[in-house]
Parts: sequence; structure tokens; C-alpha cells
Amino acid sequence: EIVMTQSPATLSVSPGERVTLSCRASQSVSGHLAWYQQKPGQAPRLLLYGTSARATGVPARFSGGGSGTEFTLTITSLQSEDVAVYYCQQYNNWPPYTFGQGTKLEIK
Amino acid sequence: EVQLVESGGGLVQPGRSLRLSCAASGFTFDEYAMHWVRQAPGKGLEWVAGVNWNSGSIGYVDSVKGRFTISRDNAKSSLYLQMNSLRPDDTAFYYCVRGPGYSSGLNYFDSWGLGTLVTVSS
Repeated sequence: EIVMTQSPATLSVSPGERVTLSCRASQSVSGHLAWYQQKPGQAPRLLLYGTSARATGVPARFSGGGSGTEFTLTITSLQSEDVAVYYCQQYNNWPPYTFGQGTKLEIK
Repeated sequence: EVQLVESGGGLVQPGRSLRLSCAASGFTFDEYAMHWVRQAPGKGLEWVAGVNWNSGSIGYVDSVKGRFTISRDNAKSSLYLQMNSLRPDDTAFYYCVRGPGYSSGLNYFDSWGLGTLVTVSS
């Protein structure tokens, strides 16, 4: 099983600032890495897949990078509506598909 | 618009069974793999089970193997999860989710239902 580790667990950022979230895989997942956003009381929503491809309707301020075992999600200018928990997921090997434990993003 | 609507959750005693259903609409159901993902209250996401478009490829997380069975009825555009021998650590919101295509391999999850809560407690 591929273990996904996200850092930091919690991040507090001021509006307009640049934010970078990290995700590490215990072995290479090639580029098969997705990011999800879960706002309070809502179901998760796909943000990025294939490391850097934005899902339908996702604003351009969200971008992804990395390869192999190290990946990042960057928000170029944080908006108040971006407050959420962000999860990474590897889909290179199954079963099982595995998620990171999440990074909680707060507004300072 | 893709819609996934889960049902069948509730309070159940340890050791008992429950069957979850997911009604899909807004897309051609038999062209997509489908999965169940769960989330214990206040915790992270855990993939539970997945099935490809024609039920020819099925997978489970180890913790539910032998207890849970995923199935689909393409004629009814529906996905199911039969859960037997339920345990308190199965307590979670269960989400019906769609894969990006026919195969259940190399799947991220591009559409999610709102979830149904399963509580296992005596």
C-alpha cells in the first residue's frame, strides 16, 4: 500500500498570500496524483488530477506540481472561500487507492 | 449535470448488515467505473471499494475484504454496497464517487455524492 503524507497539518494564511501545500508518497506514483478540496459540511470536490490538470470550473489560482514522490498544491492568492481541508490522493496503484491525512487551511 | 444520491445509511448494531445504494443520473452510467469512499466523523478520506463499468474488475481495501460487497446495476444506473459484520470502526459518511472512465484502474474521483451516514453502535 502506498502511504501518502501531507504537510503541514494546519496552515494559517492571510488573504492574498501565496500558499503551498505538500504531499509525499511512500513510493513513486508517477504523475498519478489528485487533489481534493473539502469545505466544512460539504462533500469533497476534485481540484486537480494528473498532478497539474485543473478539473472543470476550478479557478486558475490553483496549480499543482511535482513528480515521483513529491507533489505540491499552490494557491497563488488566497481567497476567503478557499478555507477548507485539502487532500491528496494517489491513483497509480490499486487496490487500495490512498489519500493523505489532509491539510486544514485557515484564514489568518 | 452529474448527480449521485446515496441512501440506506442509519444506525445499526455491531455484527449486523446494511445495504447502501447510490442512484446516478446526468451521465451514461455504464461508461464509468464507480467507487465508495468513506469518512469517519472529523477524520480523513478512505477509499473502500471500486468496480469497473461491467463489474469485471473489483477491488476492496483490506479492512473490508470478506465483509463488504460492491455491485452495480447498469440498467438501473445504480451502485450498491452490501456491508456485513459491521463494526464500530465502520462508522462513517459513505460517499458514492465516479471514476474518470470505463476502467477502475488509474482512477481519481471526479464526482461525489453528498454521502450517507452509517453509525455502528449498540
